[in-house]
Amino acid sequence: AAGVIQSPRHLIKEKRETATLKCYPIPRHDTVYWYQQGPGQDPQFLISFYEKMQSDKGSIPDRFSAQQFSDYHSELNMSSLELGDSALYFCASFGLSGAGYNEQFFGPGTRLTVL
Amino acid sequence: AQKITQTQPGMFVQEKEAVTLDCTYDTSDPSYGLFWYKQPSSGEMIFLIYQGSYDQQNATEGRYSLNFQKARKSANLVISASQLGDSAMYFCAMRVGDAGGTSYGKLTFGQGTILTVHP
Repeated sequence: AAGVIQSPRHLIKEKRETATLKCYPIPRHDTVYWYQQGPGQDPQFLISFYEKMQSDKGSIPDRFSAQQFSDYHSELNMSSLELGDSALYFCASFGLSGAGYNEQFFGPGTRLTVL
Repeated sequence: AQKITQTQPGMFVQEKEAVTLDCTYDTSDPSYGLFWYKQPSSGEMIFLIYQGSYDQQNATEGRYSLNFQKARKSANLVISASQLGDSAMYFCAMRVGDAGGTSYGKLTFGQGTILTVHP
């Protein structure tokens, strides 16, 4: 079965540079979520989109922006990168599980390292 | 606001034994869903089990079961017959507004518990 695709899987940037993370949800899933997991931390919700509109917003810095496109893929744009932005960034898409309830299917994550 | 608390930073278990990972939650919303995820050292988040707040029975998925005590606001994960491959970080998470597993809400995670299975 198709899973959530994230690219790139690893990214190394310098301070003050910009980064773009991409997420391709499972086909026919129209809702995506972004989470940030710092080293040794639990995942923190950043932002979500439903049908190309922002549906919820968490602790996302103003330096970050995101959008969902007509094909439902989403991009997280990060500018003026700081050392503290080094983290694992997960995208999840929302859909019906085989057990009959809705769950978030997580992608493999993008590991961002800011030097 | 909702909150998830996992009070065990680390747990050790002998192979083939059972282990319980604790999770307590707090929310004023009567409709919510509770999830457990496994995160191996490779980093991916693997869904294990789900419990809805209105579910009458405790959820089970193979070797995983969820000991749901609503009055105590606890949702402990029980892993039976531990295997070496169970060594990982385990996260408890909650989603509110979850009537019958339909919520689009975000997940709020606990701090996680590192489980180490000894041979």
